[in-house]
Amino acid sequence: KAGVTQTPRYLIKTRGQQVTLSCSPISGHRSVSWYQQTPGQGLQFLFEYFSETQRNKGNFPGRFSGRQFSNSRSEMNVSTLELGDSALYLCASKALNTEAFFGQGTRLTVV
Amino acid sequence: GIQVEQSPPDLILQEGANSTLRCNFSDSVNNLQWFHQNPWGQLINLFYIPSGTKQNGRLSATTVATERYSLLYISSSQTTDSGVYFCAVDNYGQNFVFGPGTRLSVLP
Repeated sequence: KAGVTQTPRYLIKTRGQQVTLSCSPISGHRSVSWYQQTPGQGLQFLFEYFSETQRNKGNFPGRFSGRQFSNSRSEMNVSTLELGDSALYLCASKALNTEAFFGQGTRLTVV
Repeated sequence: GIQVEQSPPDLILQEGANSTLRCNFSDSVNNLQWFHQNPWGQLINLFYIPSGTKQNGRLSATTVATERYSLLYISSSQTTDSGVYFCAVDNYGQNFVFGPGTRLSVLP
């Protein structure tokens, strides 16, 4: 059974650019959540999607957005990148009332 | 929102020693998981344990939901156990709140 797949694994972008990260959940899982990990703030929740609908959103600016497709794959987008957006972005996939599984993450560096 | 604390923040052990990591949370939860973050950043599932006790090899975990804490036990530690251990809870909000982690270093 394939795990959660995140692409790309590593990314370097310039301030002001935008970036799109992708997450393919475990087959059959309809919930996909995104988290940002930085040394200063730890692991913080970005947003959660279920059946193409955003159910919950963390405390991040509007530059952070996401969506989910009918096959449950999810993308998150960050526009107008800032140096502080450099982080490890983790995606989690979950079925109803079960444990969540995380992907390997995308490490974003903004220069 | 719910608060999650972990202790100790750092732990250094000799190989073969036992350890106990603690997670305290401030409200009732419907999900609690323990993760080990590997050197490449991936969160590896250790236990899904909103209540009760589970064991998996040298690792075991106990959650006492009524008293709002969970414990992760590591016995006969190995150098490969090194890394950061996170407790994450979900209090019916469809998202995790993570603790700050415990950084474990196991020395040969």
